Amino acid sequence: AQKVTQAQTEISVVEKEDVTLDCVYETRDTTYYLFWYKQPPSGELVFLIRRNSFDEQNEISGRYSWNFQKSTSSFNFTITASQVVDSAVYFCALSGDQTGANNLFFGTGTRLTVIP
Amino acid sequence: GAGVSQTPSNKVTEKGKYVELRCDPISGHTALYWYRQSLGQGPEFLIYFQGTGAADDSGLPNDRFFAVRPEGSVSTLKIQRTERGDSAVYLCASSPGTAPGETQYFGPGTRLLVL
Repeated sequence: AQKVTQAQTEISVVEKEDVTLDCVYETRDTTYYLFWYKQPPSGELVFLIRRNSFDEQNEISGRYSWNFQKSTSSFNFTITASQVVDSAVYFCALSGDQTGANNLFFGTGTRLTVIP
Repeated sequence: GAGVSQTPSNKVTEKGKYVELRCDPISGHTALYWYRQSLGQGPEFLIYFQGTGAADDSGLPNDRFFAVRPEGSVSTLKIQRTERGDSAVYLCASSPGTAPGETQYFGPGTRLLVL
């Protein structure tokens, strides 16, 4: 079965600090896909990134970066120089190519608060 | 272009009533998904459509829940004999294709409250 664990329920940082959100996943599929979504107070889930299991290259997009490590089944998300607008709930999600191939399995989310 | 839209944004109903929630996906997107998000939780899968047909409805909690997508675009999630436990945010998403791992783009959700 697919499972995503986001052990950090809530994190608070002061503006301009760096912060890393952890995501650990479990799957039996050999091909799978990992996602991060942001859910601001407005409630809409905003897509941030998608990675497939064959591409372990880390990715950087502006202040955001992602570290995918198959050896530890982790897909962590780092925000550099955090800003108040980064305050939101962040979800990590997993989709496999076999088990519920078109379903996203979400973690319980990490609520990030950036204090000005 | 326009994103996924959902109506109504909020719905308050009484226990035992019937409700319909509507989703209008991104134009041209083949796949459509419904999820349910309870307070403090991540979204949970309900049903997935490829075109007009429900390809996977394994997430529907019971037979009070039903969804349709008759013309392969707009979808309606129908809940009969609502119960207080049905209170949640119902999210709709769409994706361009139907391959595994397609990125899903979400709408703003319908917040359902059953009194």
